[in-house]
Amino acid sequence: RKEVEQDPGPFNVPEGATVAFNCTYSNSASQSFFWYRQDCRKEPKLLMSVYSSGNEDGRFTAQLNRASQYISLLIRDSKLSDSATYLCVVNWVDSSYKLIFGSGTRLLVRP
Amino acid sequence: DTEVTQTPKHLVMGMTNKKSLKCEQHMGHRAMYWYKQKAKKPPELMFVYSYEKLSINESVPSRFSPECPNSSLLNLHLHALQPEDSALYLCASSQEGAQTGELFFGEGSRLTVL
Repeated sequence: RKEVEQDPGPFNVPEGATVAFNCTYSNSASQSFFWYRQDCRKEPKLLMSVYSSGNEDGRFTAQLNRASQYISLLIRDSKLSDSATYLCVVNWVDSSYKLIFGSGTRLLVRP
Repeated sequence: DTEVTQTPKHLVMGMTNKKSLKCEQHMGHRAMYWYKQKAKKPPELMFVYSYEKLSINESVPSRFSPECPNSSLLNLHLHALQPEDSALYLCASSQEGAQTGELFFGEGSRLTVL
């Protein structure tokens, strides 16, 4: 099993749609979870951290399910500018400096 | 604009060349990272410096040699690379450990080895 696993997509959705991505992780002791966004030929940028209680930032909602070892990202009212690759990132518990990146889920929002 | 600056943005080198990638941040971050990213793949951790000391080396071949001259600078020295080393090399920094804080990435240095 991969350490962090994501559906590569692409998810092709119309503007205004709601889309959800899941990510599973293998290490039950992981404590920190993040979603990063990477535009084509650009560097990754933090989209949001994922907290145990779930968190929301505008149109974006992140959830953590420790029992099933997955995190999710929900995007409501998709915009063209949301088109990007969304990377699920999990810390590796033997080092506070080590983050494991999932392979990313590509989102295409069409007019 | 990113607050982590990487130079050069593009580099083409032969297998016998010696070159260096440079990274600079002035956010007072105490951890700095080198990641390698191939096309359509996620970033892979190579090295981590914490308080100017090498704390993680992910079994990277010795043809890649990191250096942290001070808390703001991180270099990656390249020597006798192979064509399969062609990739985007991303530098990142964080306040303390990546576990608790955001990683700030530079725009990357795109390396082509002929």
